[in-house]
Amino acid sequence: QQPVQSPQAVILREGEDAVINCSSSKALYSVHWYRQKHGEAPVFLMILLKGGEQKGHEKISASFNEKKQQSSLYLTASQLSYSGTYFCGTSEHGSGNTGKLIFGQGTTLQVKP
Amino acid sequence: GAGVSQTPSNKVTEKGKYVELRCDPISGHTALYWYRQSLGQGPEFLIYFQGTGAADDSGLPNDRFFAVRPEGSVSTLKIQRTERGDSAVYLCASSDPGQGFPGYTFGSGTRLTVV
Repeated sequence: QQPVQSPQAVILREGEDAVINCSSSKALYSVHWYRQKHGEAPVFLMILLKGGEQKGHEKISASFNEKKQQSSLYLTASQLSYSGTYFCGTSEHGSGNTGKLIFGQGTTLQVKP
Repeated sequence: GAGVSQTPSNKVTEKGKYVELRCDPISGHTALYWYRQSLGQGPEFLIYFQGTGAADDSGLPNDRFFAVRPEGSVSTLKIQRTERGDSAVYLCASSDPGQGFPGYTFGSGTRLTVV
């Protein structure tokens, strides 16, 4: 089942903050976050694992509420380079070590000067 | 290689023809995934390889779609009797599960247009 992302679109001014949410109706093992710019491949941002472990390589933060099967991505002091479409990808508890992800429909973020 | 390479970058084919899409993953990445993405949508899972074997092909829409990875590196996605509804960007990704659920590295995709 595809996770649901909200909001569908966000417009910000440089320096403003944004939160993107991802929720699932299924028990989750992990949540990934990716950013995709127009015409380009999705780029990995962060992974959150059941139990609270968090791995990423950019200066962003995220949370994973296992009980509610929800994750949120926090973008603070946004920069023009943050513009793009953000996808969450979820792996379900019981899917083993496959790494198979089901992606949400995306949240389009536009940062204006 | 340094990244995931997909060829061709664009493919236009006539309805009913056969096409092959190639993916060359990052060297040493044992896991390889195929997704397809339609305009304005998130990537849709097709198939996952761990080594040479298809560990999960539950996303393949029908028996016109088939993928192989004979030597555990390069993979080919094959589509028979193409239909206009197959038009999409086909994305390949690879990862190294040995690092413990790492993120995927995606290729730039093959844009398939069936006319």
